Amino acid sequence: GEDVEQSLFLSVREGDSSVINCTYTDSSSTYLYWYKQEPGAGLQLLTYIFSNMDMKQDQRLTVLLNKKDKHLSLRIADTQTGDSAIYFCAERPNNNAGNMLTFGGGTRLMVKP
Amino acid sequence: EAEVAQSPRYKITEKSQAVAFWCDPISGHATLYWYRQILGQGPELLVQFQDESVVDDSQLPKDRFSAERLKGVDSTLKIQPAELGDSAMYLCASSLRGGGEGEQFFGPGTRLTVL
Repeated sequence: GEDVEQSLFLSVREGDSSVINCTYTDSSSTYLYWYKQEPGAGLQLLTYIFSNMDMKQDQRLTVLLNKKDKHLSLRIADTQTGDSAIYFCAERPNNNAGNMLTFGGGTRLMVKP
Repeated sequence: EAEVAQSPRYKITEKSQAVAFWCDPISGHATLYWYRQILGQGPELLVQFQDESVVDDSQLPKDRFSAERLKGVDSTLKIQPAELGDSAMYLCASSLRGGGEGEQFFGPGTRLTVL
């Protein structure tokens, strides 16, 4: 079955880069996503990458995909205190109806001033 | 900016009572999803609708949970009777269509506490 795993916690200093890692098991995944969740709020889509790509950059965000190792990472450059939140990676396997996402458990990013 | 609306934002109930949550997706979004997010975990899909039809409800505990989207627009998720283990955040999301990159837009959620 599908399984998405993330480390629980990451702490960085303001201005440093943050790298949040994720591993997944379903090799048929078509899209992989990064969502941000602030306290008490819903999930906000940050970026996504199609499975035939290995990198995508969007302003301060860089997504790297290693399909061989089934490893996805999100790099946030010049991390700000407003980036403090929980970050979820999610995969959309190719073997399900519609657009069902399987989420990891989330990584709590704490940015210290 | 269009948003997914959910109500109530918070609900406290006693076990064995019935609860209902409402979701209004972004206008024109054919696909609607209900997720359950237990504290400290990622969201898990409960049910997915395409218009008024259920596409996937394999993870919905059908003995106590029900969901409907009668006119293919807004949706209601019901739990009867509620159990202590149902305490969680219930998130609704919608997308324009089920295929492609199908970006899902999430509502703010309903936080349910069962006492």
